[in-house]
Amino acid sequence: QQQVKQSPQSLIVQKGGISIINCAYENTAFDYFPWYQQFPGKGPALLIAIRPDVSEKKEGRFTISFNKSAKQFSLHIMDSQPGDSATYFCAATINKFYFGSGTKLNVKP
Amino acid sequence: GAGVSQSPSNKVTEKGKDVELRCDPISGHTALYWYRQRLGQGLEFLIYFQGNSAPDKSGLPSDRFSAERTGESVSTLTIQRTQQEDSAVYLCASSLRGIAGGFDRETQYFGPGTRLLVL
Repeated sequence: QQQVKQSPQSLIVQKGGISIINCAYENTAFDYFPWYQQFPGKGPALLIAIRPDVSEKKEGRFTISFNKSAKQFSLHIMDSQPGDSATYFCAATINKFYFGSGTKLNVKP
Repeated sequence: GAGVSQSPSNKVTEKGKDVELRCDPISGHTALYWYRQRLGQGLEFLIYFQGNSAPDKSGLPSDRFSAERTGESVSTLTIQRTQQEDSAVYLCASSLRGIAGGFDRETQYFGPGTRLLVL
C-alpha cells in the first residue's frame, strides 16, 4: 500500500502561472514532510520541507500548505518559470522516507 | 567537497547475472540510503545504514538483493540472478546523522544514480 499518494502525475503550466501539486497520507505518525526536485539525469534534491505543527511554509516562490486534519499537503510554485520544469516528489518520514510517485512539471515559455 | 558519487552510471546485464553497484557518500556522513526508481515512478526505499547500527533492510524486495557498507564510507548494493523487473535507476543518498539527528533536521544528498537495464 502506497503510504503517500501524489497527484497529478503530470502538469503543464504557462510561464508566470501557479503550479500546484498535491499529496495525501494516511499515517498520522509522520513527522516531517519534504519536497524534492529532480532534473533529468540527476538525483533528487531537497527543495522545501515542513513539520506537521506548521500550516504553511514559504521559501521564495515555493510554498508548502499543510492540512493536518485532512492529512494533505501541497506544493505551490508561484510565477512558474521554464527552469522549474522537473519532476517533483513529496515525501513523509517516520523512521524512513516514504516518497510519492512524482509529478512531472512542464512550464511552457 | 564532492557530492555523492555512484558507479557505474549505466549498467546493461543479462538476465541471471549478478551486478554490483557502488556508492561513495559525502565524507563524514553517517547515514546512507539506497532507493530504487522505476521508470515514471517514485522512489522505493531499499535499505538504510546508520553508523555502526544494524542496517534497516526492510525495503529490500527479495533475498536476491543485499547491501554492505564499510564503516561510514563506501556502500555496495548487490543484485544476484538479475531479473528484467530489476531494471530501474538505483539511487544512493547520504546525510549527516540520519534518524539520530532527527529527520526534520536532515537533508539527504542524492547521487546521480545507476541506470540498470536487465535484458
